[in-house]
Amino acid sequence: DTAVSQTPKYLVTQMGNDKSIKCEQNLGHDTMYWYKQDSKKFLKIMFSYNNKELIINETVPNRFSPKSPDKAHLNLHINSLELGDSAVYFCASSPLTVSHEQFFGPGTRLTVL
Amino acid sequence: DQQVKQNSPSLSVQEGRISILNCDYTNSMFDYFLWYKKYPAEGPTFLISISSIKDKNEDGRFTVFLNKSAKHLSLHIVPSQPGDSAVYFCAASVGTSGTYKYIFGTGTRLKVLA
Repeated sequence: DTAVSQTPKYLVTQMGNDKSIKCEQNLGHDTMYWYKQDSKKFLKIMFSYNNKELIINETVPNRFSPKSPDKAHLNLHINSLELGDSAVYFCASSPLTVSHEQFFGPGTRLTVL
Repeated sequence: DQQVKQNSPSLSVQEGRISILNCDYTNSMFDYFLWYKKYPAEGPTFLISISSIKDKNEDGRFTVFLNKSAKHLSLHIVPSQPGDSAVYFCAASVGTSGTYKYIFGTGTRLKVLA
Protein backbone atom coordinates (compact mmCIF):
# COMPACT_ATOMS: atom_id res chain seq x y z
CA ASP A 1 0.00 0.00 0.00
CA THR A 2 2.65 2.47 -1.15
CA ALA A 3 1.87 6.17 -0.66
CA VAL A 4 4.00 7.54 -3.51
CA SER A 5 5.12 5.09 -6.14
CA GLN A 6 7.40 5.52 -9.14
CA THR A 7 8.01 3.29 -12.15
CA PRO A 8 10.44 2.14 -13.24
CA LYS A 9 12.89 1.96 -10.34
CA TYR A 10 15.85 1.63 -12.72
CA LEU A 11 16.14 2.87 -16.29
CA VAL A 12 19.16 2.35 -18.52
CA THR A 13 19.02 3.83 -21.99
CA GLN A 14 21.09 5.22 -24.84
CA MET A 15 21.76 8.87 -25.55
CA GLY A 16 19.16 10.42 -27.80
CA ASN A 17 16.31 8.17 -26.69
CA ASP A 18 13.01 9.37 -25.22
CA LYS A 19 11.84 7.92 -21.91
CA SER A 20 9.11 8.44 -19.33
CA ILE A 21 8.97 8.01 -15.57
CA LYS A 22 5.59 7.58 -13.92
CA CYS A 23 4.54 8.76 -10.47
CA GLU A 24 1.37 8.06 -8.57
CA GLN A 25 0.26 9.06 -5.09
CA ASN A 26 -2.71 7.64 -3.21
CA LEU A 27 -2.65 10.22 -0.42
CA GLY A 28 -5.15 12.63 -1.93
CA HIS A 29 -2.62 15.47 -2.02
CA ASP A 30 -3.08 18.43 -4.35
CA THR A 31 0.59 19.21 -4.88
CA MET A 32 3.22 17.04 -6.54
CA TYR A 33 6.89 17.58 -7.35
CA TRP A 34 9.77 16.22 -9.34
CA TYR A 35 13.30 16.41 -7.94
CA LYS A 36 16.64 15.44 -9.46
CA GLN A 37 19.49 14.12 -7.32
CA ASP A 38 22.72 14.34 -9.26
CA SER A 39 26.07 12.62 -8.72
CA LYS A 40 27.00 15.15 -6.02
CA LYS A 41 23.87 14.09 -4.07
CA PHE A 42 22.39 17.53 -4.55
CA LEU A 43 18.57 17.20 -4.45
CA LYS A 44 17.14 19.90 -6.68
CA ILE A 45 13.52 20.74 -7.44
CA MET A 46 12.55 20.54 -11.11
CA PHE A 47 8.79 21.04 -11.21
CA SER A 48 5.81 21.40 -8.94
CA TYR A 49 2.16 20.95 -9.82
CA ASN A 50 -0.85 22.04 -7.83
CA ASN A 51 -4.19 20.57 -8.84
CA LYS A 52 -2.79 19.53 -12.22
CA GLU A 53 -1.43 23.01 -12.93
CA LEU A 54 2.27 23.75 -13.35
CA ILE A 55 3.40 26.05 -10.54
CA ILE A 56 7.19 25.82 -10.55
CA ASN A 57 9.52 25.15 -13.47
CA GLU A 58 13.08 25.52 -12.27
CA THR A 59 14.84 26.41 -15.52
CA VAL A 60 14.71 22.83 -16.63
CA PRO A 61 15.51 22.22 -20.33
CA ASN A 62 12.53 21.90 -22.65
CA ARG A 63 13.47 18.27 -23.21
CA PHE A 64 11.83 17.61 -19.83
CA SER A 65 8.05 17.73 -19.96
CA PRO A 66 5.93 16.88 -16.94
CA LYS A 67 2.36 15.78 -17.45
CA SER A 68 -0.36 15.58 -14.84
CA PRO A 69 -3.41 13.70 -16.18
CA ASP A 70 -5.07 13.96 -12.78
CA LYS A 71 -4.23 15.00 -9.22
CA ALA A 72 -2.88 11.57 -8.34
CA HIS A 73 -0.38 11.33 -11.19
CA LEU A 74 2.61 13.36 -12.30
CA ASN A 75 4.66 11.78 -15.06
CA LEU A 76 7.99 12.98 -16.39
CA HIS A 77 8.84 12.61 -20.05
CA ILE A 78 12.38 13.25 -21.23
CA ASN A 79 13.25 13.70 -24.90
CA SER A 80 16.65 13.30 -26.54
CA LEU A 81 18.35 12.00 -23.42
CA GLU A 82 21.87 13.27 -22.69
CA LEU A 83 24.66 11.86 -20.53
CA GLY A 84 24.11 14.65 -18.00
CA ASP A 85 20.55 13.47 -17.42
CA SER A 86 21.90 10.48 -15.52
CA ALA A 87 20.65 10.92 -11.95
CA VAL A 88 18.09 9.70 -9.47
CA TYR A 89 14.69 11.30 -9.99
CA PHE A 90 12.32 11.58 -7.06
CA CYS A 91 8.64 12.30 -7.17
CA ALA A 92 6.98 13.78 -4.08
CA SER A 93 3.56 14.94 -2.96
CA SER A 94 2.44 17.31 -0.24
CA PRO A 95 -0.81 18.07 1.57
CA LEU A 96 0.43 21.64 2.13
CA THR A 97 0.09 21.43 5.91
CA VAL A 98 1.81 23.74 8.36
CA SER A 99 4.68 21.29 8.74
CA HIS A 100 5.51 21.49 5.00
CA GLU A 101 5.94 17.75 4.97
CA GLN A 102 6.51 16.14 1.61
CA PHE A 103 6.13 12.43 0.90
CA PHE A 104 8.75 11.08 -1.48
CA GLY A 105 8.67 8.15 -3.80
CA PRO A 106 11.52 5.60 -3.81
CA GLY A 107 13.27 7.23 -6.75
CA THR A 108 14.09 6.22 -10.31
CA ARG A 109 17.76 5.77 -11.14
CA LEU A 110 18.27 6.85 -14.75
CA THR A 111 21.51 5.92 -16.49
CA VAL A 112 22.19 7.33 -19.93
CA LEU A 113 24.93 5.53 -21.88
CA ASP B 1 25.03 29.34 -5.62
CA GLN B 2 24.09 26.94 -2.88
CA GLN B 3 21.63 28.61 -0.54
CA VAL B 4 21.45 25.71 1.91
CA LYS B 5 24.70 24.17 3.04
CA GLN B 6 25.56 21.16 5.11
CA ASN B 7 29.30 21.43 5.56
CA SER B 8 29.85 18.10 7.26
CA PRO B 9 29.51 15.26 4.77
CA SER B 10 29.64 12.65 7.52
CA LEU B 11 29.36 12.18 11.27
CA SER B 12 29.93 9.18 13.55
CA VAL B 13 28.38 8.94 16.99
CA GLN B 14 28.23 6.26 19.66
CA GLU B 15 24.86 4.71 20.39
CA GLY B 16 23.11 6.51 23.24
CA ARG B 17 24.99 9.77 22.70
CA ILE B 18 23.72 12.95 21.11
CA SER B 19 23.98 13.48 17.35
CA ILE B 20 24.12 17.09 16.18
CA LEU B 21 23.69 17.81 12.50
CA ASN B 22 24.24 21.33 11.25
CA CYS B 23 22.90 23.39 8.40
CA ASP B 24 23.60 26.96 7.23
CA TYR B 25 21.58 29.06 4.83
CA THR B 26 22.00 32.35 3.05
CA ASN B 27 18.50 33.45 2.03
CA SER B 28 16.73 35.45 4.75
CA MET B 29 13.42 34.96 2.91
CA PHE B 30 13.23 31.27 3.83
CA ASP B 31 10.18 30.80 6.03
CA TYR B 32 10.28 27.10 6.93
CA PHE B 33 13.10 24.70 7.54
CA LEU B 34 12.84 20.95 7.37
CA TRP B 35 14.90 17.87 8.07
CA TYR B 36 14.60 14.64 6.11
CA LYS B 37 16.19 11.26 6.66
CA LYS B 38 17.16 9.05 3.74
CA TYR B 39 18.09 5.38 3.69
CA PRO B 40 19.86 3.89 0.63
CA ALA B 41 17.59 3.12 -2.34
CA GLU B 42 14.65 4.90 -0.66
CA GLY B 43 13.16 8.36 -0.93
CA PRO B 44 13.71 10.96 1.81
CA THR B 45 11.40 10.71 4.83
CA PHE B 46 10.22 13.80 6.67
CA LEU B 47 11.48 14.13 10.25
CA ILE B 48 10.70 17.54 11.66
CA SER B 49 10.24 21.14 10.59
CA ILE B 50 10.41 24.59 12.13
CA SER B 51 8.90 27.92 11.21
CA SER B 52 11.24 30.86 10.85
CA ILE B 53 9.37 32.63 13.65
CA LYS B 54 10.36 29.96 16.17
CA ASP B 55 13.72 28.97 17.58
CA LYS B 56 13.02 25.41 18.69
CA ASN B 57 10.78 22.52 17.80
CA GLU B 58 10.81 19.14 19.47
CA ASP B 59 9.37 15.77 18.48
CA GLY B 60 10.38 12.82 20.58
CA ARG B 61 14.10 12.23 20.24
CA PHE B 62 14.43 14.93 17.56
CA THR B 63 14.84 18.64 18.26
CA VAL B 64 15.53 21.32 15.70
CA PHE B 65 17.07 24.63 16.75
CA LEU B 66 17.00 27.74 14.59
CA ASN B 67 19.32 30.71 14.99
CA LYS B 68 18.07 33.29 12.52
CA SER B 69 20.74 35.87 13.24
CA ALA B 70 23.41 33.32 12.40
CA LYS B 71 21.33 31.77 9.59
CA HIS B 72 21.99 28.40 11.16
CA LEU B 73 19.90 25.45 12.19
CA SER B 74 20.75 22.18 13.82
CA LEU B 75 19.09 18.84 14.39
CA HIS B 76 19.71 17.09 17.70
CA ILE B 77 19.00 13.39 18.08
CA VAL B 78 19.00 12.14 21.66
CA PRO B 79 19.68 9.34 22.33
CA SER B 80 21.12 8.19 19.03
CA GLN B 81 20.21 4.68 17.92
CA PRO B 82 21.78 2.43 15.25
CA GLY B 83 18.57 2.75 13.21
CA ASP B 84 19.26 6.48 12.92
CA SER B 85 22.18 5.72 10.61
CA ALA B 86 21.18 7.40 7.34
CA VAL B 87 21.77 10.52 5.29
CA TYR B 88 20.10 13.62 6.74
CA PHE B 89 19.04 16.46 4.48
CA CYS B 90 18.28 19.96 5.60
CA ALA B 91 15.79 21.88 3.44
CA ALA B 92 14.31 25.37 3.38
CA SER B 93 11.15 26.71 1.81
CA VAL B 94 10.31 29.99 0.18
CA GLY B 95 7.08 31.11 -1.47
CA THR B 96 3.39 31.06 -0.65
CA SER B 97 0.86 28.29 -0.13
CA GLY B 98 0.64 26.19 -3.27
CA THR B 99 3.80 27.69 -4.73
CA TYR B 100 6.40 26.68 -2.19
CA LYS B 101 9.84 25.92 -3.50
CA TYR B 102 12.17 23.75 -1.43
CA ILE B 103 15.94 24.08 -1.45
CA PHE B 104 17.89 21.10 -0.13
CA GLY B 105 21.38 20.81 1.27
CA THR B 106 23.75 18.08 0.11
CA GLY B 107 23.20 15.91 3.16
CA THR B 108 25.20 14.58 6.11
CA ARG B 109 25.74 10.87 6.48
CA LEU B 110 25.23 9.86 10.11
CA LYS B 111 26.62 6.61 11.39
CA VAL B 112 25.58 5.50 14.87
CA LEU B 113 27.99 2.96 16.26
CA ALA B 114 26.64 0.19 18.47
